Amino acid sequence: AQTVTQSQPEMSVQEAETVTLSCTYDTSESNYYLFWYKQPPSRQMILVIRQEAYKQQNATENRFSVNFQKAAKSFSLKISDSQLGDTAMYFCAFMKPHGGGADGLTFGKGTHLIIQP
Amino acid sequence: DGGITQSPKYLFRKEGQNVTLSCEQNLNHDAMYWYRQDPGQGLRLIYYSQIVNDFQKGDIAEGYSVSREKKESFPLTVTSAQKNPTAFYLCASSIAYRTGRNTEAFFGQGTRLTVV
Repeated sequence: AQTVTQSQPEMSVQEAETVTLSCTYDTSESNYYLFWYKQPPSRQMILVIRQEAYKQQNATENRFSVNFQKAAKSFSLKISDSQLGDTAMYFCAFMKPHGGGADGLTFGKGTHLIIQP
Repeated sequence: DGGITQSPKYLFRKEGQNVTLSCEQNLNHDAMYWYRQDPGQGLRLIYYSQIVNDFQKGDIAEGYSVSREKKESFPLTVTSAQKNPTAFYLCASSIAYRTGRNTEAFFGQGTRLTVV
């Protein structure tokens, strides 16, 4: 079974600063997907960014980028030029490709990110 | 617009009652999932289904049941056997089975279930 660990229950930064959220995972799989989801106060889960394990290049989406270290099983999210609307719970998640047995996303417990004005 | 619809948004259950949470998707996704979210617990998998008429237990299936009679629908029943059902429930779907690849999951807006 996979496990996902987010070691920062809460973080707070000033608007326009850069913030990095940490995530580590444990798996014996060689191919898999990693995600960061954002859950604002509305509780709607929104995909922020996705990384495929077989791709060495780190994924980027506008102000959001990841640092994927496969050997270290680390998958951190960097938010540049943070905005008030970035305030939310952020979940790191792991997914096995289909055919690998039990499926579904495995989530970390989340990091509550607060952007201060 | 394609998406996942959960209903109702809020649900109240009396002790000893079964309740059913609805989840419908029009994304033509094969895989569907039910998660439970509690404060400080993240999201925990209750059940998942990769194909019609087939589903598998997740990590916390006790006290829950599901069906998958149609590709678009994956209702979750919270039975009286679930001792602590008050939680936020999220349904999700993803492309999975036929393509041999799995992609990100898309989520509904959730159902808040409260036992009264």
